[in-house]
Amino acid sequence: KQEVTQIPAALSVPEGENLVLNCSFTDSAIYNLQWFRQDPGKGLTSLLLIQSSQREQTSGRLNASLDKSSGRSTLYIAASQPGDSATYLCAVRWTGFQKLVFGTGTRLLVSP
Amino acid sequence: NAGVTQTPKFRVLKTGQSMTLLCAQDMNHEYMYWYRQDPGMGLRLIHYSVGEGTTAKGEVPDGYNVSRLKKQNFLLGLESAAPSQTSVYFCASSRPRGVWEQFFGPGTRLTVL
Repeated sequence: KQEVTQIPAALSVPEGENLVLNCSFTDSAIYNLQWFRQDPGKGLTSLLLIQSSQREQTSGRLNASLDKSSGRSTLYIAASQPGDSATYLCAVRWTGFQKLVFGTGTRLLVSP
Repeated sequence: NAGVTQTPKFRVLKTGQSMTLLCAQDMNHEYMYWYRQDPGMGLRLIHYSVGEGTTAKGEVPDGYNVSRLKKQNFLLGLESAAPSQTSVYFCASSRPRGVWEQFFGPGTRLTVL
């Protein structure tokens, strides 16, 4: 069964810390992997998308990496800020499938 | 571009009532999706559509119906609402080529009493 797991479910860090969020998935035959941010009571905002052929993608202070062979992706946030507080969701699209499968997310709190 | 929009934003229903949620996208995307999000459950796919006039079941389709009469619109219907359908509903769309990125609407918060 194709599953996506995110650990930890919640993370609390002081402002300025660099942090890593983890996403693991079964079956390495993925098409792409997408990281989303969700603020409380809001919709999902796409942060980064990594294609199967790519190893990483960067946007500002965010860097997402992909290791298909180990079934893992990480989202690295540099110099965290209170405004980064949100839930981060990982979603995988497997090759030949029309749907995204989501993890349950990591809730991040960055304290001033 | 407005992207993906959803109507209404909030709704309260009584058990047994019916309603329709509307999703619209202006990106000319072929694929559209309806998800529900519940605490601790993540996002679960209800129904999806790969083109105008076509629909397919997702993980949790029971109690819901959908229609895609126009490419830009995807409707989600609840014929007889139940308290178990209290949730936040998200619509999404994508173009199934190249990057195949998925874009989400702002959500509809539905409470069934």
